[in-house]
Amino acid sequence: DQQVKQNSPSLSVQEGRISILNCDYTNSMFDYFLWYKKYPAEGPTFLISISSIKDKNEDGRFTVFLNKSAKHLSLHIVPSQPGDSAVYFCAASLVSDDMRFGAGTRLTVKP
Amino acid sequence: NAGVTQTPKFQVLKTGQSMTLQCAQDMNHEYMSWYRQDPGMGLRLIHYSVGAGITDQGEVPNGYNVSRSTTEDFPLRLLSAAPSQTSVYFCASSYSSGTASYEQYFGPGTRLTVT
Repeated sequence: DQQVKQNSPSLSVQEGRISILNCDYTNSMFDYFLWYKKYPAEGPTFLISISSIKDKNEDGRFTVFLNKSAKHLSLHIVPSQPGDSAVYFCAASLVSDDMRFGAGTRLTVKP
Repeated sequence: NAGVTQTPKFQVLKTGQSMTLQCAQDMNHEYMSWYRQDPGMGLRLIHYSVGAGITDQGEVPNGYNVSRSTTEDFPLRLLSAAPSQTSVYFCASSYSSGTASYEQYFGPGTRLTVT
């Protein structure tokens, strides 16, 4: 039972344009949401997070939006750069320390 | 400051063999965890620990054992390897399970193949 879903396995955008990565979850008890970025042959690295009490968090070019009623969050990257090409994982956390990850979306930013 | 280190980077096992994947962190983090990454499945939590002497099961604990005798080390043991355990294994740590961020630092991974 996959509680966190990233339904788009891949996304391709042009350099300078906006990248929008989506994530849906089924468990309304999740209280914290995170995005991680992963390059090949490396471990994931933390990108940005949002608490369930907020609906937006911004950090430079990266913004995460949370829609609790729809159980949906998205990551916006503006402007997209070739170095942003990686696999992006959405993750959700329960108070019990249990972290659930989505399957990932491979972003390709074309020069 | 090495962060989270994992050894070995690659390992091939035969079915039924046992081995230990090593994980160490030098950031004095209380929380450590093990994940496996499989195609189309993302990262799935195997076991985690909120401090020395305390461990708990995650989403897919069967076939794996852990212990946490020190803050720095969190080894993952496969007692009798099976082909279904072929995967990439990541160890991660964070400051505290009680912090608001839950941000975790990941090691580089161990690619395990069981034949």
